[in-house]
Amino acid sequence: DSGVTQTPKHLITATGQRVTLRCSPRSGDLSVYWYQQSLDQGLQFLIQYYNGEERAKGNILERFSAQQFPDLHSELNLSSLELGDSALYFCASSGDRAANEKLFFGSGTQLSVL
Amino acid sequence: EDQVTQSPEALRLQEGESSSLNCSYTVSGLRGLFWYRQDPGKGPEFLFTLYSAGEEKEKERLKATLTKKESFLHITAPKPEDSATYLCAVQAHGQNFVFGPGTRLSVLP
Repeated sequence: DSGVTQTPKHLITATGQRVTLRCSPRSGDLSVYWYQQSLDQGLQFLIQYYNGEERAKGNILERFSAQQFPDLHSELNLSSLELGDSALYFCASSGDRAANEKLFFGSGTQLSVL
Repeated sequence: EDQVTQSPEALRLQEGESSSLNCSYTVSGLRGLFWYRQDPGKGPEFLFTLYSAGEEKEKERLKATLTKKESFLHITAPKPEDSATYLCAVQAHGQNFVFGPGTRLSVLP
C-alpha cells in the first residue's frame, strides 16, 4: 500500500459529461501529481501541485483542470469528455517541492467514456 | 526535449533465465533516473533511483546500472512473481519526470 488514495476506482460516463477524480496524498506529502496512462501513450504527466499551488503543467488539455485543497487532497476535473479521454488516471505524491524524490502512486481511476 | 525509450517492448523468460532490460535516455542535465514496477491495474511502484554514471543499486533479484546514455535493469534468476511492466523515468534539473513506454516482462514457470 503506497498510502496514496484515489477514488473512484472505476468511472463509466458518456461523451460530453464532466467527472471529478479525487486523490489523497501520503500523510505529510505536499506535492501531488496527476498522470494519464493509455495503451498507446504510456504515462503522460498532466499537472503538479505543491502545498496548494500549481507547480508545473504538462500535456493537460484545456478541458481538464485540477486543484489542491488546504488539507492537501487534490481533485482532477475532466469536462466535455470525449472517447479519447478513456484511460487510467493516476495520482502520485512526494514530499519534495523539486520532485527529486521518488513518487508514490495511487491505484488509479479507470475512466471509460462511452 | 527529454526522451526515454525502452527495449525490448516485451520479454518472455523461463523461470531462472537471467536477462536485462534497457532504458535509453536523452536529457539535458540528468538529476535522476528512476525504475518503477507496474502490475496490471495498479499504480507504478518505486524500485530504484540512480543519480550518476557508474552507480549501481540492487534489490533481491534486480540490479540497476547507469551510464551517461542508458540504464540497464538486470534480472537474475527471475521468478514468475517478477512478471510486470518495468518503467524507466528520467528527471532533468528543474523538470518533471519523463516516463518511458515500459517493458512487459513475463516469467514462465
